[in-house]
Amino acid sequence: QKEVEQNSGPLSVPEGAIASLNCTYSDRVSQSFFWYRQYSGKSPELIMSIYSNGDKEDGRFTAQLNKASQYVSLLIRDSQPSDSATYLCAVGGYQKVTFGTGTKLQVIP
Amino acid sequence: KAGVTQTPRYLIKTRGQQVTLSCSPISGHRSVSWYQQTPGQGLQFLFEYFSETQRNKGNFPGRFSGRQFSNSRSEMNVSTLELGDSALYLCASSFTRGSYGYTFGSGTRLTVV
Repeated sequence: QKEVEQNSGPLSVPEGAIASLNCTYSDRVSQSFFWYRQYSGKSPELIMSIYSNGDKEDGRFTAQLNKASQYVSLLIRDSQPSDSATYLCAVGGYQKVTFGTGTKLQVIP
Repeated sequence: KAGVTQTPRYLIKTRGQQVTLSCSPISGHRSVSWYQQTPGQGLQFLFEYFSETQRNKGNFPGRFSGRQFSNSRSEMNVSTLELGDSALYLCASSFTRGSYGYTFGSGTRLTVV
């Protein structure tokens, strides 16, 4: 079992819709959870971090964490073509941060 | 505020050679982590340095090594290059250890021929 699992996609959504990206992790003692966005040919950029159960909202982005289910998600409201990118889920413990392989999101105009 | 600077941006080497990559973190950041990114494997953790000490190491062979200097700048070295070492090498800077999120550099694209 991979430490951090994501569906590779591509996930295609129409412009203006809600995109839902999901991630599961295996280490129950994980303490911190991140979403990074990576455009093609660019390096990852941190867009959300979440540390406790529940929802965290930042603009059009909402991160959701459920530690009991070992599940993290990212919702993107009012999706725009500029949101088309690969979204990487990352899970941090004391020792290191482990990344998933990413979900490619395509927002169709 | 300057970002994370990685040099060089692109590198072409032949098998058997060695290579050194450099990373200057954001000013004031003391933790530098290195990742290898390939299409098939995604981001794979190489090592983390904090206060000039390697704090953690990923599952890479001993050909991969690194160090951190007193000004927090870090270098990684790969000796006896293999074709499979072709990848994007990313440096990630953070204020301290633990989990506060990274700022990545633009990466060094290494091609081994």
